[in-house]
Amino acid sequence: KQEVTQIPAALSVPEGENLVLNCSFTDSAIYNLQWFRQDPGKGLTSLLLIQSSQREQTSGRLNASLDKSSGRSTLYIAASQPGDSATYLCAPAGGATNKLIFGTGTLLAVQP
Amino acid sequence: NAGVTQTPKFQVLKTGQSMTLQCAQDMNHNSMYWYRQDPGMGLRLIYYSASEGTTDKGEVPNGYNVSRLNKREFSLRLESAAPSQTSVYFCASSVRRDQGNTGELFFGEGSRLTVL
Repeated sequence: KQEVTQIPAALSVPEGENLVLNCSFTDSAIYNLQWFRQDPGKGLTSLLLIQSSQREQTSGRLNASLDKSSGRSTLYIAASQPGDSATYLCAPAGGATNKLIFGTGTLLAVQP
Repeated sequence: NAGVTQTPKFQVLKTGQSMTLQCAQDMNHNSMYWYRQDPGMGLRLIYYSASEGTTDKGEVPNGYNVSRLNKREFSLRLESAAPSQTSVYFCASSVRRDQGNTGELFFGEGSRLTVL
């Protein structure tokens, strides 16, 4: 059974810092891995999707990497802003049904 | 740009009552999903529909039923609500590629259900 761990559970940084969020998963037989953002009381917004054949994906200030063999993914946020404050969730997807298994997330607070 | 639309956004039920959560997507996606989100437990898959006409159980299907009404709509029904079903419910959709590998999941805003 896939288990997903995200470290740290919570993080507070001053504006402008670069930061890394970590995601580890136990079953490396995945098709892809997605990173999501969730604002309080809202749904999830997809940030990046990395296919299993890829090593990384970039979108603006966000860069996600994937190392399937070690069961790890990282989300790098450059020059953080207060608007980046949210919960970040990773979700590896595997099996014939693309069942996404979610981690419990990292709660990020960027202080102005 | 509606995306994934869920109704209702909030609902309070008494134990034993029934209700249906509605979900519709306008992105021509094949696959649709229902998740529940509980504090400390993350999101868990209740049911999914890989394509129109098919539905399958996820991790936590007990107490729920689903209907894939057409390509756009996927509903979740609680036949006899229990306090343990108090949660936030999310509907999601995605395209479906070969061999079950799908693209990005797009989520609705959620339906907050309280069962007293």
